[in-house]
Amino acid sequence: AQKVTQAQTEISVVEKEDVTLDCVYETRDTTYYLFWYKQPPSGELVFLIRRNSFDEQNEISGRYSWNFQKSTSSFNFTITASQVVDSAVYFCALSEAQIQGAQKLVFGQGTRLTINP
Amino acid sequence: NAGVTQTPKFQVLKTGQSMTLQCAQDMNHNSMYWYRQDPGMGLRLIYYSASEGTTDKGEVPNGYNVSRLNKREFSLRLESAAPSQTSVYFCASTITVADTQYFGPGTRLTVL
Repeated sequence: AQKVTQAQTEISVVEKEDVTLDCVYETRDTTYYLFWYKQPPSGELVFLIRRNSFDEQNEISGRYSWNFQKSTSSFNFTITASQVVDSAVYFCALSEAQIQGAQKLVFGQGTRLTINP
Repeated sequence: NAGVTQTPKFQVLKTGQSMTLQCAQDMNHNSMYWYRQDPGMGLRLIYYSASEGTTDKGEVPNGYNVSRLNKREFSLRLESAAPSQTSVYFCASTITVADTQYFGPGTRLTVL
């Protein structure tokens, strides 16, 4: 069965520090998709990134970067030079490929990130 | 494009009351989903609909029913609400299994 573990329940840093959010997943499939979502205090879920299991290239988008390592089943998320607006709950999620069905996401428990001014 | 919309935004029910949460998407997506979010537990899948005319149980379906009314709309019904169903409910949709799920704004439900 699929499982996603975000071991860090809460992280608190001072603005401009770099911070890494960990995500470890379990799956028996060779084809799967990994996601990160952000949930700001307003409550909506904002999509950040999708990665498929065949693409191990790291990705950078502005101050955000993601490190995907199949060897350790990890998909970690780093925010560089954090800002107060980055304060949110961040979710990592996993979906196994469904040929004739729908995409069933399994979410981690989330990491609450607080950036202090 | 409104994306995924949900009504109502907030609801308070008494134990035993029934209600239907509505979800609609205007992105021509094939698949739709209902999740619940409880504190410290992330989101869990209640029911999903791979395509119009089909529905299937997710991880936590007990106490809920769903209807895929048409391609745009997917409703979630609580027949006899219980305090354990106090949660935030999110609807989502996606066009294919490899695509991204886009979420509605959520419905905060309290059952007294």
